[in-house]
Amino acid sequence: GENVEQHPSTLSVQEGDSAVIKCTYSDSASNYFPWYKQELGKRPQLIIDIRSNVGEKKDQRIAVTLNKTAKHFSLHITETQPEDSAVYFCAASNNAGNMLTFGGGTRLMVKP
Amino acid sequence: GAGVSQSPRYKVAKRGQDVALRCDPISGHVSLFWYQQALGQGPEFLTYFQNEAQLDKSGLPSDRFFAERPEGSVSTLKIQRTQQEDSAVYLCASSLSSGRNIQYFGAGTRLSVL
Repeated sequence: GENVEQHPSTLSVQEGDSAVIKCTYSDSASNYFPWYKQELGKRPQLIIDIRSNVGEKKDQRIAVTLNKTAKHFSLHITETQPEDSAVYFCAASNNAGNMLTFGGGTRLMVKP
Repeated sequence: GAGVSQSPRYKVAKRGQDVALRCDPISGHVSLFWYQQALGQGPEFLTYFQNEAQLDKSGLPSDRFFAERPEGSVSTLKIQRTQQEDSAVYLCASSLSSGRNIQYFGAGTRLSVL
């Protein structure tokens, strides 16, 4: 089955700096890669996703890149703000509506 | 409209008790998923329904775990004879259909087995 590795497990940045979180996956059949943000005690919320037919997607301060050959994808957050502090999870699936395999999560702390 | 709703939000059980966790998906969503999230880890897949049909239960850790969705809407995850290792947050997610639709998550039920 699919295996998703996520790094780093914790990341501390100064407000205004950029943050990058990286994930690798094992199953070449995976073609859908969402990123979820989870604040303490709250539901995971989708912040951006990418499908395997594109290499990059941007939404304001958030971008995701995908390298299918190397089987890795990354989340980039620019101009970080304290409210970006949360745990971020990457995931992979062989289709958007199918089961997700999650990475272990990255705790992002943005210091004001 | 309302998002995915789960109840109870917190459940404390004595070892050996049975528990039932409820999920109300977004109205009209065909697909429903259950995930287990241990402390400090990512969610792990348990089982998947399309309408009332349970199409995949490969993630259920033992035969003590049972899920149902009899009318294709509300789903219940039941754990019999709970054990300490069952302590986790149980997340439910729904999507409009299988295929190309994203999954929306509930806030989860935190189960603590003493």
